[in-house]
Order: sequence, then C-alpha cells, then structure tokens
Amino acid sequence: AQRVTQPEKLLSVFKGAPVELKCNYSYSGSPELFWYVQYSRQRLQLLLRHISRESIKGFTADLNKGETSFHLKKPFAQEEDSAMYYCALERSGNTPLVFGKGTRLSVIA
Amino acid sequence: GAGVSQTPSNKVTEKGKYVELRCDPISGHTALYWYRQSLGQGPEFLIYFQGTGAADDSGLPNDRFFAVRPEGSVSTLKIQRTERGDSAVYLCASSLNSGGYNEQFFGPGTRLTVL
Repeated sequence: AQRVTQPEKLLSVFKGAPVELKCNYSYSGSPELFWYVQYSRQRLQLLLRHISRESIKGFTADLNKGETSFHLKKPFAQEEDSAMYYCALERSGNTPLVFGKGTRLSVIA
Repeated sequence: GAGVSQTPSNKVTEKGKYVELRCDPISGHTALYWYRQSLGQGPEFLIYFQGTGAADDSGLPNDRFFAVRPEGSVSTLKIQRTERGDSAVYLCASSLNSGGYNEQFFGPGTRLTVL
C-alpha cells in the first residue's frame, strides 16, 4: 500500500530563514509526487510536482528515490508562505492521490 | 473560468439522517474525485469517476456511502444513516484525464457536521 509521511505537524521559522518541509513515501513502483498548499480560507491547490522540476514561489522539491523522500525547500521564507502544506503521491496518471497529514508552516516576522 | 464548486458549503445534520453533497466539476473535465478530510488529517480518497462510471470506489468506508455521476458532469455523494464519525470536510476534485499527468483541481469543500 502507498503511504505518505510528513513528520512535522507544525513548523515555525523566521522571515528570511530557510525552510524545509519533510516528506517521505512508501510505494513499490515509481510514483509521481506533488506538493499541495492551502492558504487561509482558500481551497487546496497544486504548488509543484516532481516531474516538472519547476521552482514555484521560490520553492523546490527534489525526488530522492534512494531515501524515498520529496522534501520541499525554500531558501528565504516569506510571511505569505504561511499555510498548510500537503505532500501527495499518485501511482500513475489520473489515479487518486494519497496525501500526507500535512505540515502547517508559520513564518514569523 | 469557473473552478470546481461544491454545495452546500456547510451541512449540519442529526445522527441517523440522510445527506447529499453536490459537486460541479470544471466544464470538460471527465475525471472526478471525492476525498474526505477529517480534523488534523490530509484528504483521504473515497471514490473516482471516469465519465459516468465509478472507476475506483475502494475508498468508500462502508455501504452507507454512495456516489453517482449520471451524466458525466455533476456528482452527488450520498450518505445514509449518518454517524458522528462522518463529520469531516468532503472535497471534490476534477481533472481533464487527457493522457499522462493531469492536475486535479479542488473545490472549496463541504463541511459536514453530524450531531
């Protein structure tokens, strides 16, 4: 069975500090990995996916198949980054997502 | 264009009652997903439609839960004999399913409270 683990429920950092939100997964195949974000009073939205290798809003995430990790990083946190972040796995195209429990990021001014 | 919409935004009901939750996907999206998010948890998959048919309903917790999508667009999630444990935010998502990866777009959710 697939599983996504986000070990931190809450992560607080100061503005301008680096951020790393951890995500580990278990799946026997080659999954697609995503980060979703939910800002206060907004709906869940895609932040980035590993296959696109993009940097969105300064965030990047590298898939490490050896460590089965997909950590989300940003070198300098901004107050507007404060939100709930979910790591998600997809077995193959157009199949249901498996989400982690989420990490609440709080960026302190 | 309009995103995924869900109605009602909030639903309060009593234990044992029947409820229906509605999802309007983005026009042209053939794939539709229902997820449930309990407090402190990430969204958990319930059922997935491809067109009118349920392609995967393995996430439905028991036979009190049922969903339909009769015309391949709007979907209704139906819960019979509600229990307090059914209280959660029910999320709907839709995607194009045009081959390869297709982003799932989420609705705002319906918050169900069973008293």
